[in-house]
Amino acid sequence: AQSVTQLGSHVSVSEGALVLLRCNYSSSVPPYLFWYVQYPNQGLQLLLKYTTGATLVKGINGFEAEFKKSETSFHLTKPSAHMSDAAEYFCAVSSDTGRRALTFGSGTRLQVQP
Amino acid sequence: NAGVTQTPKFQVLKTGQSMTLQCAQDMNHNSMYWYRQDPGMGLRLIYYSASEGTTDKGEVPNGYNVSRLNKREFSLRLESAAPSQTSVYFCASTVGERGSYEQYFGPGTRLTVT
Repeated sequence: AQSVTQLGSHVSVSEGALVLLRCNYSSSVPPYLFWYVQYPNQGLQLLLKYTTGATLVKGINGFEAEFKKSETSFHLTKPSAHMSDAAEYFCAVSSDTGRRALTFGSGTRLQVQP
Repeated sequence: NAGVTQTPKFQVLKTGQSMTLQCAQDMNHNSMYWYRQDPGMGLRLIYYSASEGTTDKGEVPNGYNVSRLNKREFSLRLESAAPSQTSVYFCASTVGERGSYEQYFGPGTRLTVT
């Protein structure tokens, strides 16, 4: 079985400040990890993914995440927040090789203050 | 490419009514999925189809049925809608490459059951 925990359902930062969204996962086999972003009334868009190889992955819009196996974490960061980053962010894990379905965290809503 | 498309965008049903949510993808993906999104719960898998001609239950299948009509289309049916099925429904598909597991999402259907 696999699961994802996102710490903090709401995070508020000032424009220009560091963004840190936390994600911890559990998986009995090596996981594939994803961060998706959802803007209001839209579908989910892939920000970045980790499958194998380099543990620091870079995504779109200046976001990056680091896979830390020892900590079972995949935290999302961005050095400087922009107003347009305000959205809901979902961490997801896939380690079920049969169905290939994703298990999602409950989401973190990021608010960016001017 | 249109990607993943869903119809309708919005729907209001009365308890006991039935309806079918349509999903189509033009990326030649093998696997397709239906999720529901509820506040504070992330996305939960309802049904999935690993390939044309196959379907299987996900985490929350009760009250739903699916049909994989062909490789492109995967529909979700509510036979007798209940207020607990008020949600946003997302269809997704995977590239299908071994180990990729990246999913592409449609824009969603917002369903209200009164």
